[in-house]
Amino acid sequence: EAQVTQNPRYLITVTGKKLTVTCSQNMNHEYMSWYRQDPGLGLRQIYYSMNVEVTDKGDVPEGYKVSRKEKRNFPLILESPSPNQTSLYFCASSGRQGGDTIYFGEGSWLTVV
Amino acid sequence: AQSVSQHNHHVILSEAASLELGCNYSYGGTVNLFWYVQYPGQHLQLLLKYFSGDPLVKGIKGFEAEFIKSKFSFNLRKPSVQWSDTAEYFCAVNAIGFQKLVFGTGTRLLVSP
Repeated sequence: EAQVTQNPRYLITVTGKKLTVTCSQNMNHEYMSWYRQDPGLGLRQIYYSMNVEVTDKGDVPEGYKVSRKEKRNFPLILESPSPNQTSLYFCASSGRQGGDTIYFGEGSWLTVV
Repeated sequence: AQSVSQHNHHVILSEAASLELGCNYSYGGTVNLFWYVQYPGQHLQLLLKYFSGDPLVKGIKGFEAEFIKSKFSFNLRKPSVQWSDTAEYFCAVNAIGFQKLVFGTGTRLLVSP
């Protein structure tokens, strides 16, 4: 079954404590990306990756890092989380951007206090 | 820069009423268009997509959308809504050559039984 798996699904953390949200896909997709969803703002892209070792900033990259060492994994790293990063995060993957259906993970609810 | 506008932030309908949700985008080149649905507490699911060909596309659960290039629009329709259609609906656009999917701010649909 085609899947994009994110962990953790729910997390409450404190300001400044580094955390990583993992994302893994089993479809051998080249393209992966991270979005955050906030009320009234829809989904905004944080970072994307077109292939292994190729990453680039989206619309709201400040405060986040990513890496793409393997094709299947695309972790999102918050080095020093702040309360304004409290949000719902989605990982997504597709065979090629724009020409293929994008599959989304189930989302990770992150609260920074 | 690309942008997507969804005109209705909240829509309330009775069961069996007809639905039309507006979506307009700003980009003069070739685009791929999507509608996603997010049921309460769940992740995004693809309702339908337009890449090329017949501008009237049919999706899952009786939804359809029409691409009108001259109006830069991709409105979502359903002839008769059900209580189970209560969800948030997102229009999204990918401009060919750009490595991201741009989302509208979403429309919350509430269908009363």
